[in-house]
Amino acid sequence: NAGVTQTPKFRVLKTGQSMTLLCAQDMNHEYMYWYRQDPGMGLRLIHYSVGEGTTAKGEVPDGYNVSRLKKQNFLLGLESAAPSQTSVYFCASSLLAVNIHEQFFGPGTRLTVL
Amino acid sequence: LAKTTQPISMDSYEGQEVNITCSHNNIATNDYITWYQQFPSQGPRFIIQGYKTKVTNEVASLFIPADRKSSTLSLPRVSLSDTAVYYCLVGVPTGGGNKLTFGTGTQLKVEL
Repeated sequence: NAGVTQTPKFRVLKTGQSMTLLCAQDMNHEYMYWYRQDPGMGLRLIHYSVGEGTTAKGEVPDGYNVSRLKKQNFLLGLESAAPSQTSVYFCASSLLAVNIHEQFFGPGTRLTVL
Repeated sequence: LAKTTQPISMDSYEGQEVNITCSHNNIATNDYITWYQQFPSQGPRFIIQGYKTKVTNEVASLFIPADRKSSTLSLPRVSLSDTAVYYCLVGVPTGGGNKLTFGTGTQLKVEL
């Protein structure tokens, strides 16, 4: 049981390049989330999904797109990377999340945009 | 939207009890309060969750007053391995439903 995994662990991009971060969970969770965490700051929600085929915007969605084609996977895309998107990205999942927020987090992806 | 705030840092010694408070005066009436622990270069890890009054599990207690505008995470007899950043998580009402909002985080440093 791997829990929540993220690919890649590290990535360096040049401004304007695109990339996709992959999150996978093997716990059959309905809800999945993408967060970013900047130095000295807490976690901010980018996008989330309440089930396969659904996505919704979080607190800081601009510059990102997401897709949830399969229940176990949640992809985060950067179409044209900017230095302001340098951050650590965390994916999380939860079984039910209407009001109860026990989320399981992945190990993170450290992204640097030059 | 009102921020969900925590003290930036706290220092303690091994064996002491540590209480970390989160202020969330705009919490949704139907939402739970959750606390997480995060070590460097790792994702946050769930500690405890509650809706009102007091909740206790094998690692911590959570105290929530009647007005639910704050919550206090209590760690009994901390050890060096409890050195980490602690975050609260609450739902804040918006026009389109509750928005999940993490607190600003508290860096706990435990010394011998």
